[in-house]
Amino acid sequence: ETGVTQTPRHLVMGMTNKKSLKCEQHLGHNAMYWYKQSAKKPLELMFVYSLEERVENNSVPSRFSPECPNSSHLFLHLHTLQPEDSALYLCASSQDARNEKLFFGSGTQLSVL
Amino acid sequence: GENVEQHPSTLSVQEGDSAVIKCTYSDSASNYFPWYKQELGKRPQLIIDIRSNVGEKKDQRIAVTLNKTAKHFSLHITETQPEDSAVYFCAAHTDSWGKFQFGAGTQVVVTP
Repeated sequence: ETGVTQTPRHLVMGMTNKKSLKCEQHLGHNAMYWYKQSAKKPLELMFVYSLEERVENNSVPSRFSPECPNSSHLFLHLHTLQPEDSALYLCASSQDARNEKLFFGSGTQLSVL
Repeated sequence: GENVEQHPSTLSVQEGDSAVIKCTYSDSASNYFPWYKQELGKRPQLIIDIRSNVGEKKDQRIAVTLNKTAKHFSLHITETQPEDSAVYFCAAHTDSWGKFQFGAGTQVVVTP
């Protein structure tokens, strides 16, 4: 599959669980992003990676831990989440971190019980 | 902080009519303004964009206008069709690391 692929598409977890979201891009891009999308709210930028180095961390709680092992893969490790963390988590990529053209994945719909 | 205001939050139009969505930004350094369409359960997709040195851009039934002085830009959809039903959101970008400010989105419903 080309483009940006996210797994799983849906995730239900308890507050004490540990889970991970995965994102893979097949576009040869050098920058990858995690966004949180809540209903009727603007997209919130969480993390930006450029060439596997984190260049932006938007004051995200430590219960969210990103990992970028290479320029094609991005993970978001989740631990001890709260119900208010329930949202759609979108991964995106761009040619580089200053490029405006964002390509989004289909997201992981996360529900925290 | 810097943000983008988007209106309306919901828009219901009759098939064949036009739809207009407006966004206002506050960061005068913003120089790129994309619009995304997100159908239910699908990824946001870029449908049209405009740069700060251009006042208007058109692509078939969709167009975007930019007023730099007033700091607002608008999406226009003409001859709407049921497949235009989706959430549309705007964004404003500045030359910095991944610096997008997004609008909250407009739910457009086109009724036959």
